This record gives sequence, C-alpha cells and structure tokens, in this order.
Amino acid sequence: ILNVEQSPQSLHVQEGDSTNFTCSFPSSNFYALHWYRWETAKSPEALFVMTLNGDEKKKGRISATLNTKEGYSYLYIKGSQPEDSATYLCAFITQGGSEKLVFGKGTKLTVNP
Amino acid sequence: DSGVTQTPKHLITATGQRVTLRCSPRSGDLSVYWYQQSLDQGLQFLIHYYNGEERAKGNILERFSAQQFPDLHSELNLSSLELGDSALYFCASSVEGADSRNTIYFGEGSWLTVV
Repeated sequence: ILNVEQSPQSLHVQEGDSTNFTCSFPSSNFYALHWYRWETAKSPEALFVMTLNGDEKKKGRISATLNTKEGYSYLYIKGSQPEDSATYLCAFITQGGSEKLVFGKGTKLTVNP
Repeated sequence: DSGVTQTPKHLITATGQRVTLRCSPRSGDLSVYWYQQSLDQGLQFLIHYYNGEERAKGNILERFSAQQFPDLHSELNLSSLELGDSALYFCASSVEGADSRNTIYFGEGSWLTVV
C-alpha cells in the first residue's frame, strides 16, 4: 500500500513569515508528484507537477523542490500572506501505477495578519 | 474556475437511496477521475475513465458505479447509501490519461450527506 505523508498537519504563521512543509513518498518506482492548493469551498488548484530528481519549480512566492532518491518534496512559501491560507496537498504516482494519484492528508496553513 | 463542472453541489438523501453525481470535464479533456474526501481521510481515488473507457479502479465500493459518455461527461452512481458514504466527491479531468504528468484539474465537488 502506497503511503504519502505530509507534515506538519497544520501550521500557523504570521503575515510576512516564510514557511515550508514536507511531502514524503515511497522512493521506488517514482513517476510524478503533484502539489495542489485547496481553499475551503473551492476546487483544489494545481500548483506543480514534478517529475525529475532535483526539480525546482516556482510560481510567484511559492516554490517546490523534489528529491526522488530519498522520497521527499518541499513546498516553500516566501513572505506568507493571509490569502495563502489553505490546505496544501501533495499527490504521488508510481511508474506503472495504473494512473492512480495517491494523496496525502495535506498541510493546513493559516496566515495571521 | 478550473473549467470542471460538478452537479449537484450539495445533496442530502436518506440511507438506502440512490444518487447520481454528474461531472463535465474541461473542454478538450479526455480523462475523468473521481475522488472521495471523507472526514479525516485524504482524497481517495475511486475510478478513472479515458475517452469513454475505464482505465483504473481504486477503492470503489461495489454499490458505486461510474461511466463516461460519448460527450465525455461522467456520472458517478451511488446506491444503497449508508451513513458512511457521506463525503465530498470530487471529479477531476486532464487532457490525456496515459501520462499522469499532465496537470489534473478539479471541480468544486459534490457534498453528499446521507441521513
């Protein structure tokens, strides 16, 4: 059974703080890792699809890195804003994994003004 | 707006009943995925269709079934409903199915409450 772990479960930061959280996944047969941002009552919004070891992707103040050999990805938010408050989900898929994205339970970020 | 449309947004029904959730994928997307989000659980994969054909099945109960129609919209049928089926059901779509390195776009979900 594939297991994707995200930590921490929840995080409270002050506006302007930079923060990061972790997604851990099985390192064998890696195929792709997806990051999503999910605000309550909205649809999960795709942030990044990461495929190569050492990948680093950036979208505004949000960036992500990938280490497939050790099985983790970090998501960084620089200068957090209240509008960054959301649950951040990662999802993993294995090579030959019949196209099933396996999601972690997410990290809930709250940015206090 | 992701371009994926789900109806209904909210549904309350009694145990033992049957409901149908509907999903229209983004224009041009051939793949449709269904996920279930229960309390304290991550998004659980149910089923994936690509251009009308079932491609992959996850932890989908036998009481649940799905299909993708020629116009590419999809329906998830939930029957003999139990209290534990109360959840947020997401539909998602992507351009292709064979390569999950494509971005997958989610709808806003259908909230099902079984009473």
